[in-house]
Order: sequence, then structure tokens, then C-alpha cells
Amino acid sequence: GENVEQHPSTLSVQEGDSAVIKCTYSDSASNYFPWYKQELGKGPQLIIDIRSNVGEKKDQRIAVTLNKTAKHFSLHITETQPEDSAVYFCAAHSGSARQLTFGSGTQLTVLP
Amino acid sequence: GAVVSQHPSWVICKSGTSVKIECRSLDFQATTMFWYRQFPKQSLMLMATSNEGSKATYEQGVEKDKFLINHASLTLSTLTVTSAHPEDSSFYICSARPPGQSFPYSGNTIYFGEGSWLTVV
Repeated sequence: GENVEQHPSTLSVQEGDSAVIKCTYSDSASNYFPWYKQELGKGPQLIIDIRSNVGEKKDQRIAVTLNKTAKHFSLHITETQPEDSAVYFCAAHSGSARQLTFGSGTQLTVLP
Repeated sequence: GAVVSQHPSWVICKSGTSVKIECRSLDFQATTMFWYRQFPKQSLMLMATSNEGSKATYEQGVEKDKFLINHASLTLSTLTVTSAHPEDSSFYICSARPPGQSFPYSGNTIYFGEGSWLTVV
């Protein structure tokens, strides 16, 4: 089955700096890669996703890149703000799988 | 706004009792919903896949008699924790995926509920 590894597990950045979270996946059949933001005590919120026919996608301060050959995908947050502080999860999904496979999560702390 | 809603958001129950958590898709019909459990500072652990009109599919190691799942309609799945014990205390989250042609949603996108905190005392 699919295996998703996520790094780093914790990340602290100064407000205004950029943050990058990286994930790798094992199943070459995976074709959908969402990123979720989870605030303390709440359910995961979809913030951006990318499909395997696209190499990069951007939404304001958030961007995701995908390298299918290397089986890597990354989340980029620019101009970080304290409200970006949360746990971020990457995930992978293949057409044959019924559910998402999640990474282990990254606790992002944006220091004011 | 939320497209998947859970209720209750938190519940405290006595050991030995049963508690039901509801998961509703608000803007679309979901033939499949997923139930997860999350321990503090850990990732989401898939418990089972809820299928409308048929039995749920449980992941290995999840007791189907303890975690009863009923997907009675296309917009509602329920998780009942039976004979709850303190070790069942956790954050339970459901998710649902809109049908591929359900505008404005696109295929594969999975939305999560707000989660339900269960504390068994």
C-alpha cells in the first residue's frame, strides 16, 4: 500500500518568513495530493491540493509543488503570519485506493 | 463554510455506556464516508469506511462490535462507541467525498468534519 513520509515534524519560523514542508510517497499510482491544516481541537481543513497532471499550484500565499518522477510534493507558505501556526498534514490518494494516506504531520509555529 | 458537520463536538460519558456521533454531508450526497481516530500529537488513523446501504469496512485492529457504524442515508453516517471505556477517549473525525460530478466539488477532494471529542470517565 501507499506510504507517505512528511518532514519536518516541527518547524518554527519568524513572522514574514517562508515555510516549506516536504512529503514523499511510495505508490506511483497516486494521483491526488491534498494538504490539510489542523488547528488545535478542530478537524483538518483542506487548504490546497494538486493532481498528478499538474506540477505546481498556487493560491495566494500558499503553493504546492509536485515532482512525480521523484515522488515528492511540497507545501510552501510565504509571508507567514501567526495565524498560520497549526499542524499541517500531507496526504496521497490513488484512483484504486478508497481512502487517503496521511503523513505524520508538521507542527508549524510562526513566531511574532 | 463547512461541508461536513459532526455532532456533538464534544461529549463526556460514563464508563460502560454507549455514545453516538453523527456525521453529515451538508451540500452533497456521500455514498462513502470515513471515520478516523486521532490521539494527541498524532496523525489521523482510519478506523472504517462507511458505505451507504451496506456494511462498513473496518481497518485491521478495529473492533467492529465496539465501534458500530451505520450509514443510513446519503447524507448521514453515525459512529456508536459501545460499552465505552476510558481508553476510548479520543478525538473522532469523519470525512466525506462528493461524487465526481457534484459541482462545485471536484473528484477526489475529501472534506473533514470538525471532529468530536469523546471523554469517558
